Parts: sequence; C-alpha cells; structure tokens
Amino acid sequence: AQKVTQTQTSISVMEKTTVTMDCVYETQDSSYFLFWYKQTASGEIVFLIRQDSYKKENATVGHYSLNFQKPKSSIGLIITATQIEDSAVYFCAMREDSNTNKVVFGTGTRLQVLP
Amino acid sequence: GPKVLQIPSHQIIDMGQMVTLNCDPVSNHLYFYWYKQILGQQMEFLVNFYNGKVMEKSKLFKDQFSVERPDGSYFTLKIQPTALEDSAVYFCASSAGTGGSAETLYFGSGTRLTVL
Repeated sequence: AQKVTQTQTSISVMEKTTVTMDCVYETQDSSYFLFWYKQTASGEIVFLIRQDSYKKENATVGHYSLNFQKPKSSIGLIITATQIEDSAVYFCAMREDSNTNKVVFGTGTRLQVLP
Repeated sequence: GPKVLQIPSHQIIDMGQMVTLNCDPVSNHLYFYWYKQILGQQMEFLVNFYNGKVMEKSKLFKDQFSVERPDGSYFTLKIQPTALEDSAVYFCASSAGTGGSAETLYFGSGTRLTVL
C-alpha cells in the first residue's frame, strides 16, 4: 500500500534563506508520481511541483525545486530565497501508476518564514 | 487558474441529519476526489470517482457516505446519517486525466462541516 511520510511538523526560517522539507514514500510500484502542494492560512490548497518517477532530472518551477533520491524513496522540496508569503503548510503526495488514481498525502510540514 | 467551487463553505447540522456537500469541478476534468481534513492536519483520502463510478474508497468512507455526479452536474458527497466524528473540512478536487500535467489535482476551498 502506498504511504507518504513527512517527519518535520514545523520549520522556521529567516526570510531570503533556503529551506528543505523532507518526504519519504513507500510503494510497490515501479512507476509513480510525486507532488508537493501548499495550503495557505486561508485554507486554499495549491499545486506547486511534480516529479514523475521515471524522470532522473529533478523538477524545478520558479523558486521551488525537488531533490529526488529514488533509491532512498525520498522527494525533498527545496525553496530558495524564501519570502514571508511562503509561510504555509506543505504537503507531499503520491499516486501509484497502477492504482485507481488514488492520491495520498503526507501529514504536512508547517513553514514559518520570519522577517 | 482552473477553479473548483464548493458549496456551501460552512454547514452546521444536528447529529443524525443528512447533509450533502456540493462540488463543481473544473470543466472537462474527468477524475473527482473527496478528502477530509480535521483541524488543519493531514488530508485524508475518502474516495475518487471516474466515469460515473467510484474507483476507490478508503476506510474513512463509511457506509453512511455516498457520492454521485448525476448528468455532469455537481459532484456530491452525501452523509446520511451524520455523526459527531464527521465534523471536519471536506475538500473536493478534480484532475484532467492521467500522465503529465493532467495528474495535477485542483482543489476547492473546502466545506467546513460542524455536526452538533
């Protein structure tokens, strides 16, 4: 069964620094999709970035990038030049390619960016 | 970007009553989902739906829960009867399909359900 684990419950960083949030996953499938979503203080959930398991290159979108380490079943999210508005809860998620399109989420990491 | 609309944003009902949560997915999306979130914690998968059928449901999707999308209208989650533990924020999401960017889930703003 697929499972996603985020061990960091809360992180605080200073503005304009770089932060890495950890995520490990469990799957029996050789093909799967990994995602990061952000939930703002208002409750809005926004897609940030995706990594397909068959791609070796780490995905990058704006100031978000991924550290995909397939042998370790790890997909870390890196945010460079953090801004106050990056403060939110970040969720890691996964879909196995062979399943019914079910997407499971981790427990989330709360990021606070301080001025 | 694409929008998923959820109606109502907040619903308060008495335990044992029936409630229907409505979701208007992104136009031309094919896969629909319901998630349950308690106190801003983990997003718990409830069910997903495609081509008029439930694809998979979790243990949280009790017998009192049902989903449907009659004739391309709202994608609904019905709880009958409700229990105190059903109090949570319910998020609807939709996606276009499988592969690449079609995998992206778009979420509504949630319906906060309070069962008294």
